[in-house]
Parts: sequence; C-alpha cells; structure tokens
Amino acid sequence: EAGVTQFPSHSVIEKGQTVTLRCDPISGHDNLYWYRRVMGKEIKFLLHFVKESKQDESGMPNNRFLAERTGGTYSTLKVQPAELEDSGVYFCASSPALSYEQYFGPGTRLTVT
Amino acid sequence: AQSVSQHNHHVILSEAASLELGCNYSYGGTVNLFWYVQYPGQHLQLLLKYFSGDPLVKGIKGFEAEFIKSKFSFNLRKPSVQWSDTAEYFCAVNPSYNTDKLIFGTGTRLQVFP
Repeated sequence: EAGVTQFPSHSVIEKGQTVTLRCDPISGHDNLYWYRRVMGKEIKFLLHFVKESKQDESGMPNNRFLAERTGGTYSTLKVQPAELEDSGVYFCASSPALSYEQYFGPGTRLTVT
Repeated sequence: AQSVSQHNHHVILSEAASLELGCNYSYGGTVNLFWYVQYPGQHLQLLLKYFSGDPLVKGIKGFEAEFIKSKFSFNLRKPSVQWSDTAEYFCAVNPSYNTDKLIFGTGTRLQVFP
C-alpha cells in the first residue's frame, strides 16, 4: 500500500512569489490534514478535510493560504504571496473514516528568501 | 493556554541505557494520546497510541508509554536503547471532544551513541 506522498520535497522561492504544495493521501482515506513546522517549534495543525469539505480550518495562519481538495482525492496548499515567516516544513497526513490514527507524508520543506 | 509539553529537548544516551521522555498536556476531558517518531531522512511514524483501557501501552521497537490521568502525562519509555533509536520523538494529543486534529509537543531529539 502506497503511503502519503507530497510534492515537491523542497521548494525555494522569493518573498512575494506563489507556491503550491501537493499531497496525495493513502487511497480510500477520507480525512486529510495539513500541518506545518516552523524551525525549532512544534508541528502545528493547519486544516482538516473530510473528503472534499473543509472540516476544520482553524489553524490556517491568514488568507494568504488556500487549501483545496478536488474531488476528495489529492489536496493542494497554495501560499500567495509567500512571506519569510512561511518558511518551514509542511506535512500532510491522512486517516480513514472514524479513525484517529493519522499517517504522515514526508513533508515539503519550503524556504522563502 | 492548552498545550502539550515535552520537557526534554535534546537527550544524549549511550547504547543500552534506559530512556524516559516526558510528555504533559493541559487538556481536560477525554483525550487520545500518541507518540510519533521521525528517523533521520524519514517521515513521521506512529510509535504507539492510547485511546482507552490499559494505561500502559506497548508500541513498536520495544517502546512503551504510560498514561497517568491524574498527572496529565504520557511518558515514553524504553528499557535499553539502541543506536538505531536516534531520532526525533513527538508527543501528540487529540482533544477528542470536538476535533480530529493533533496537538504536538515541540519534540525531543534523541542521540544514541554506540
């Protein structure tokens, strides 16, 4: 069974540019989560999809971040325009329906210069 | 503020030493508890979890954790560490009353020397 995959693994962009991160969850997992870890700090929740619907987006930092999950499959997280403080590792996780056990992807390391 | 605390930020041990990593949380009510591990160059993996029942839970690779409700703690233990246990360890809490999200501690970096 393939795990959660994320693309790209690394991204370096300049302040003001746009970046789109992609997450492919484990097939059949209804729940998809985005988290972020800024250097030296804890991994923080960003948002939660159930299928294509946003269940909880309480962790989204501001309106420069836009997450979508087309057709309830893969998800994208777009940052526009990127700021220096957006640098960090963005993790995606998925879980089956009615399960609290989340499976994490390898993360995308975003560097904004 | 509600949070998860991991008091040990960096732990250095020799092989065969015993390990205990502390985790305390400040959420009331029912919680689901997890320890995740991230080995160098790899993604986060679940070590063990507690939802209910026996407060002493056993996970993979010889790890165990004890849930002590009165202390709001979920400490991770291993009697004898190996060099291959070198990794970063994260405690996470799901305050299950209204959300599926995980609240993480800051992580503990463990280095084991042969």
